Amino acid sequence: GAVVSQHPSWVICKSGTSVKIECRSLDFQATTMFWYRQFPKQSLMLMATSNEGSKATYEQGVEKDKFLINHASLTLSTLTVTSAHPEDSSFYICSARVSSGRGDTQYFGPGTRLTVL
Amino acid sequence: GQQVMQIPQYQHVQEGEDFTTYCNSSTTLSNIQWYKQRPGGHPVFLIQLVKSGEVKKQKRLTFQFGEAKKNSSLHITATQTTDVGTYFCAGPVYNQGGKLIFGQGTELSVKP
Repeated sequence: GAVVSQHPSWVICKSGTSVKIECRSLDFQATTMFWYRQFPKQSLMLMATSNEGSKATYEQGVEKDKFLINHASLTLSTLTVTSAHPEDSSFYICSARVSSGRGDTQYFGPGTRLTVL
Repeated sequence: GQQVMQIPQYQHVQEGEDFTTYCNSSTTLSNIQWYKQRPGGHPVFLIQLVKSGEVKKQKRLTFQFGEAKKNSSLHITATQTTDVGTYFCAGPVYNQGGKLIFGQGTELSVKP
C-alpha cells in the first residue's frame, strides 16, 4: 500500500513554456500532499503543502504564481511550473501524507526531472 | 527556527564495514523518520520511531531514538553494495499538519 505515482518522470522544455506535473496516490486517499524540489547532492526543499479542496500553502521564498498547485481530488495534486526558465531545472518530488496512530509519515512519488533549455 | 542536522555528509566504506549516521534536532520531536534515496531515485520510507529510547532493527539496519527525543542514529552492520544511497532523517514540524523537516542526508558509498 501507500503507492504514489508521478507523471511525467522527466521532461525537457523550452524556456518560457509551462510544464504540468501530476502526483497521484494510487491505493489510498491523500488529503495532504507535499511538493519538494531537490538539487544534485542536496536535501529535499519543501516548496508547498497541497490540501484537497483548498489553496496550497507555500513556503517562504516560493512564488505561488510561478508554481501553481491544484489539489482537486483526494488522489491527485498537480504542480504547474509557469514560464519555466533554466534556473527552474531541478528534480521535483511529491509526497502524500499518511496518518496512523504513530503519527504522520510521507510516501514519495518517483520524481520528475525537469530540464529547461 | 527548527533545525535537523545530520552527520557525516559523506561516508565511504569498504564492503563489510559498518556505517553509522547521526541525526540531531534543535527541538524535541514527536517522532523521527528515516528515508533512503538511491542514486537517481526518490526517498523511500524506512522506519518511524516514536518512543523515547526506542530501538528498532530491520535486518542489518538498527535505528535508535534518543532518550530526549532530539537525536537519532542509523547503524548498518556489514555494509553491502546494495546499501549505497543517501540516508535522510526527518522530523515533523511542530503543529504544521504533517510537514517534515529533513536533515541534509548522509551519502553512503560502498567499495566492493
